[in-house]
Amino acid sequence: AQSVSQHNHHVILSEAASLELGCNYSYGGTVNLFWYVQYPGQHLQLLLKYFSGDPLVKGIKGFEAEFIKSKFSFNLRKPSVQWSDTAEYFCAVTVNTGGFKTIFGAGTRLFVKA
Amino acid sequence: GAVVSQHPSRVICKSGTSVKIECRSLDFQATTMFWYRQFPKQSLMLMATSNEGSKATYEQGVEKDKFLINHASLTLSTLTVTSAHPEDSSFYICSASYPVGYSGRGYEQYFGPGTRLTVT
Repeated sequence: AQSVSQHNHHVILSEAASLELGCNYSYGGTVNLFWYVQYPGQHLQLLLKYFSGDPLVKGIKGFEAEFIKSKFSFNLRKPSVQWSDTAEYFCAVTVNTGGFKTIFGAGTRLFVKA
Repeated sequence: GAVVSQHPSRVICKSGTSVKIECRSLDFQATTMFWYRQFPKQSLMLMATSNEGSKATYEQGVEKDKFLINHASLTLSTLTVTSAHPEDSSFYICSASYPVGYSGRGYEQYFGPGTRLTVT
């Protein structure tokens, strides 16, 4: 069965530190890849997405992610985090198994200390 | 653009009663809507895929007779939790999608704010 793994469940960083959140998926076919963010008390928002083309994807708020097909990975990065980045981050993968379906990772809760 | 609303945002009901949750795409037409359930500190679990004008496709382990989904128009899908029990208490999230490029490329999803259901 298809699955999405996010390696870090909780991450605590100080402001200005660099961030990398891991995401790996298990599916051998074509995938669409997403990172979503959920700020406290708010709904899911799209950070960035990959459908095809340049595997280095830039999203909103200074986030970027790199699709490495050979590693089945789509890690999220930000060079310098801010307190306002405190949120939960979800990696998601859309697969086509006779119909499109999106599978979410378990999420990573990021806390940025001011 | 791409705003999705859900109503109600919170509902408390008694065990044995039914609850209807509405999901609307406000500024675009969504041929497909998805219903998810999110347990505390856990990820989103896909419950069903709802296509306008046809029966919903339920994920394995989701009772279709308990979670009734209707997608009567391109902007509205409803989830009815029938004969609710305390174990149905959860956060229910819908998303509305529209295709990217040609139909074989996939879709983008926009999420509603969620509905917190508490069954007492």
